[in-house]
Amino acid sequence: KNEVEQSPQNLTAQEGEFITINCSYSVGISALHWLQQHPGGGIVSLFMLSSGKKKHGRLIATINIQEKHSSLHITASHPRDSAVYICAVRLNYGGSQGNLIFGKGTKLSVKP
Amino acid sequence: GAVVSQHPSRVICKSGTSVKIECRSLDFQATTMFWYRQFPKQSLMLMATSNEGSKATYEQGVEKDKFLINHASLTLSTLTVTSAHPEDSSFYICSARVSLGYTFGSGTRLTVV
Repeated sequence: KNEVEQSPQNLTAQEGEFITINCSYSVGISALHWLQQHPGGGIVSLFMLSSGKKKHGRLIATINIQEKHSSLHITASHPRDSAVYICAVRLNYGGSQGNLIFGKGTKLSVKP
Repeated sequence: GAVVSQHPSRVICKSGTSVKIECRSLDFQATTMFWYRQFPKQSLMLMATSNEGSKATYEQGVEKDKFLINHASLTLSTLTVTSAHPEDSSFYICSARVSLGYTFGSGTRLTVV
């Protein structure tokens, strides 16, 4: 079993829809990251969370430490939101000097 | 914001040759750089961690003689894939820790023919 599981793997939505991507993890973490990977491969960091909720524009990220679960929400989705969204966690013990463990990503396609 | 510039973005090389990938931190000093590899439809997997002025730390299963990492300055880390084989074809990306999380290079898609 992967230490970081994301669902769904693939998601197709109509423009304007509210989107939720989920991430569950099985290890102790010091922080959780949501990343966006564009078709060309480049990765942008969206959020870093250790508790609660963060909002940036139409994106909202929440984390429940007790349940080891995080969600990424996109409100009023747009075709330009189409990308792979990756959940990654930083372990709270040892580890390779702070490297991340990644989920497999959720491929989002937003249709006009 | 903190930017890591990665070059080249795409490279095609012949089997047996070597390829060097560079990651430069443009507006900050990166004492540590993480190198990841991503195969199609797979997660990013850490290959090695480079530290300025010292030897890189390689993850289990990654051949350090094949994937040479050099971090000679606080703004430059390089990954050289030596004697490349078709199975080394992959997407390679570097990342550095910054105050608000991590910043990533744009990645290098390597195709070995």
